[in-house]
Amino acid sequence: DADVTQTPRNRITKTGKRIMLECSQTKGHDRMYWYRQDPGLGLRLIYYSFDVKDINKGEISDGYSVSRQAQAKFSLSLESAIPNQTALYFCATSEPRGNQQFFGPGTRLTVL
Amino acid sequence: GQQLNQSPQSMFIQEGEDVSMNCTSSSIFNTWLWYKQDPGEGPVLLIALYKAGELTSNGRLTAQFGITRKDSFLNISASIPSDVGIYFCAGQLGSGGSNYKLTFGKGTLLTVNP
Repeated sequence: DADVTQTPRNRITKTGKRIMLECSQTKGHDRMYWYRQDPGLGLRLIYYSFDVKDINKGEISDGYSVSRQAQAKFSLSLESAIPNQTALYFCATSEPRGNQQFFGPGTRLTVL
Repeated sequence: GQQLNQSPQSMFIQEGEDVSMNCTSSSIFNTWLWYKQDPGEGPVLLIALYKAGELTSNGRLTAQFGITRKDSFLNISASIPSDVGIYFCAGQLGSGGSNYKLTFGKGTLLTVNP
């Protein structure tokens, strides 16, 4: 079984809809991250959480929110989806030193 | 914030050839990481470098942590078709708090022709 899972793997939605992407991990890591990947732009950090009570904005947090429901679960929400949020979204986890991040398989989101 | 310049953006090579790619930064990092992303998958860590000047190998892959701490290099020897994918460098300050975040390069897309 995969250590970091993401649901759904693919999602097509319409402008203005609220969308939630979910991430679960069995690695026992405290730190979790959400990234967005766009062609030619690499991976950009949206939000990160060092533990259940510690959530921080990354470099592109506008239009997104997160919830850390438990050590193992970290959800990303788009309150009102817009087309330029069409992208591949990755969740990642790391141990407290944080220098090796383990990525989930990704969610491909299309906003029409 | 820090920015990483990764080059080349893409490479098309023949099977058996060696490959080199690099990342440079305007500021120093204390850790350099190299990841590979296969199509439809998340990035997977290949090599981690923790010390300036360090040279580390993982099979046919060799990576180096630049002396200035502002650059890193990845070499792949005798490429094979399964080397196809996107290679990312990532840097980390690692001195506590938000400095544990990774800054990623934009990736190098490698295509290997059989």
